[in-house]
Amino acid sequence: DQQVKQNSPSLSVQEGRISILNCDYTNSMFDYFLWYKKYPAEGPTFLISISSIKDKNEDGRFTVFLNKSAKHLSLHIVPSQPGDSAVYFCAASATGGFKTIFGAGTRLFVKA
Amino acid sequence: KAGVTQTPRYLIKTRGQQVTLSCSPISGHRSVSWYQQTPGQGLQFLFEYFSETQRNKGNFPGRFSGRQFSNSRSEMNVSTLELGDSALYLCASSTTQAGVGELFFGEGSRLTVL
Repeated sequence: DQQVKQNSPSLSVQEGRISILNCDYTNSMFDYFLWYKKYPAEGPTFLISISSIKDKNEDGRFTVFLNKSAKHLSLHIVPSQPGDSAVYFCAASATGGFKTIFGAGTRLFVKA
Repeated sequence: KAGVTQTPRYLIKTRGQQVTLSCSPISGHRSVSWYQQTPGQGLQFLFEYFSETQRNKGNFPGRFSGRQFSNSRSEMNVSTLELGDSALYLCASSTTQAGVGELFFGEGSRLTVL
């Protein structure tokens, strides 16, 4: 039962362009959404989050958009840099659920 | 502030053996979660502990167990190891009581079962 889905296993983008990573969820109880970045041989690190009461959150080059009616969120990286090459995980949680559910991840390649 | 520390980092076991992994959370964090990462499956939730109580458990067989101590350190145990248990096991800590919020991950313990 994949409650959080990232349907694109990989994405390749040219340096300086926009990277858009997508994520869909099925559980309407989720009220907090997060993106994590993972480099090889390291644990995931938190990137950006959004509460279900918002539809957009921005932090520097990273913006997360939430469309609750479509149960869809996306992460925009502008401009993309080679150092952004990593695996990006979408995650979701519900207040009182005491667990964060992760998607399968999308591997981003930013070409110089 | 020290990060989340997991030990051992790498280990090799054979089928049928058991293994114990340890996790020391960030100081002051009372919630510890465990995840299994395998290729193509993302991070699969194992269990979450808060103040020594298991608050939630993922869809894993009873061979997977865990506990949390009064100092918030946590251990997970896998008994009767199977080849399919080969994975990266990640521990994460957080401050949250509500069950939502940012997780801080350790570097993981990579288990290979032969």
